[in-house]
Amino acid sequence: GENVEQHPSTLSVQEGDSAVIKCTYSDSASNYFPWYKQELGKGPQLIIDIRSNVGEKKDQRIAVTLNKTAKHFSLHITETQPEDSAVYFCAARAPGSARQLTFGSGTQLTVLP
Amino acid sequence: NAGVTQTPKFQVLKTGQSMTLQCAQDMNHNSMYWYRQDPGMGLRLIYYSASEGTTDKGEVPNGYNVSRLNKREFSLRLESAAPSQTSVYFCASAGPPLQGSNTEAFFGQGTRLTVV
Repeated sequence: GENVEQHPSTLSVQEGDSAVIKCTYSDSASNYFPWYKQELGKGPQLIIDIRSNVGEKKDQRIAVTLNKTAKHFSLHITETQPEDSAVYFCAARAPGSARQLTFGSGTQLTVLP
Repeated sequence: NAGVTQTPKFQVLKTGQSMTLQCAQDMNHNSMYWYRQDPGMGLRLIYYSASEGTTDKGEVPNGYNVSRLNKREFSLRLESAAPSQTSVYFCASAGPPLQGSNTEAFFGQGTRLTVV
């Protein structure tokens, strides 16, 4: 089955700096790669996703890049703010009727004021 | 606009007790999922249901059973709770693919379960 590895497990940045979180996946058939943000005591919420036919996608301060050949994808957050502090999860999904997600182990991002 | 609703939010069980975690979604989604979240291990899939009437095992199904009661509801049952099942449990749902593309999975707020 699919295996997703995520690094780093913790990341601290100064407010205004950029943050980068990286993930690799094992199943070359995977074609959908979402990123979720989880705030304390809440469920994960989708912040951005990318499909395998696209190399990069941006949404304001957030961007995701995908390298299908190397089987890795990354989340980039620019101009970080204290409210960006949370746990971030990457995930991968292979085609199939149930379309279940396989998650990375998560990154605790702390933005220092 | 409730999305995915899980009950209860918190639960403490004694070893050997049973309980059922409830999940309901109001987005008319076909697929529903149960995940558990443990420190440093991300979210691991316990069981899933691709559509009403079908269920399948995920990565960590041992000690659990599920029921897809109807399109809206998907319950997770622990028949004889063990301390290793102490975790935060999340239910999620996702809609059918649109013209071959994927759709977003929505998560509930979670159930924090402690087995003593």
